[in-house]
Amino acid sequence: NAGVMQNPRHLVRRRGQEARLRCSPMKGHSHVYWYRQLPEEGLKFMVYLQKENIIDESGMPKERFSAEFPKEGPSILRIQQVVRGDSAAYFCASSPQDSSLDEQFFGPGTRLTVL
Amino acid sequence: AQTVTQSQPEMSVQEAETVTLSCTYDTSESDYYLFWYKQPPSRQMILVIRQEAYKQQNATENRFSVNFQKAAKSFSLKISDSQLGDAAMYFCAYRTPYGNKLVFGAGTILRVKS
Repeated sequence: NAGVMQNPRHLVRRRGQEARLRCSPMKGHSHVYWYRQLPEEGLKFMVYLQKENIIDESGMPKERFSAEFPKEGPSILRIQQVVRGDSAAYFCASSPQDSSLDEQFFGPGTRLTVL
Repeated sequence: AQTVTQSQPEMSVQEAETVTLSCTYDTSESDYYLFWYKQPPSRQMILVIRQEAYKQQNATENRFSVNFQKAAKSFSLKISDSQLGDAAMYFCAYRTPYGNKLVFGAGTILRVKS
C-alpha cells in the first residue's frame, strides 16, 4: 500500500506566479489535511477536506490560497501570486474514512521556494 | 484555542543513554489525543507514539515511552538506549477527538553523540 504522495517535492516560483501542490492520499483514505511548516517552526494546520467538500479551512490565509479535493484525482493546494513569505514546506496528510483510528499519515512534503 | 509548548529548542544525548523531551499543552477539553512525531532530515513526518487522554496508563512503544500528567497538562517523551538514528526534530501534537486538525509545538532538535 503506497503511502501519501506529494508532488512536486521541490517547487521554485518567482513572485507573482502561481504554485500548485498535489497530494494523493493513501488508498482508501477520504480525508485530506494540509499543513504548512515555515523555516524553524512547527507545522501549522491550513485546511481539512473530504471528497468534494471543504470541512475546515480555519488555517487558510484569506487571500490567494485555495484547496480542493475532487471526486477523482489528487487534492490540490493552489497559491496565487506567490510572495516570498509563502516559502515553506507544505505537508499533506490523509486518514481513513473511519476517523476513530485518529492517525494522520503524512506525505514527504513539497518545499516551495519563492524567488 | 489549544496551544502546545515545547520549551527545549535543542537537546543532546550520548548514544545508549536516556533523554526526556518536554511538552505542555493548554486545553479546556477533557478528552483528546496527544502525539509525538519525529522529523528526520528527510523531513518525512513519522508517528512515534500516541496517548489517549482517557487512558491513565502511559503509552510505550519499544524504546519510546511517555509520561502523561493530565492534571499538569504535561506530555513528555522518554527515549531509552538512544541510537544515532534517533537524531531528528521531535514535535509534540494535540488533537481533539471530534476535530481533525493537529496542533503542533515548535519542535525540539535532538542530537545524538557517539
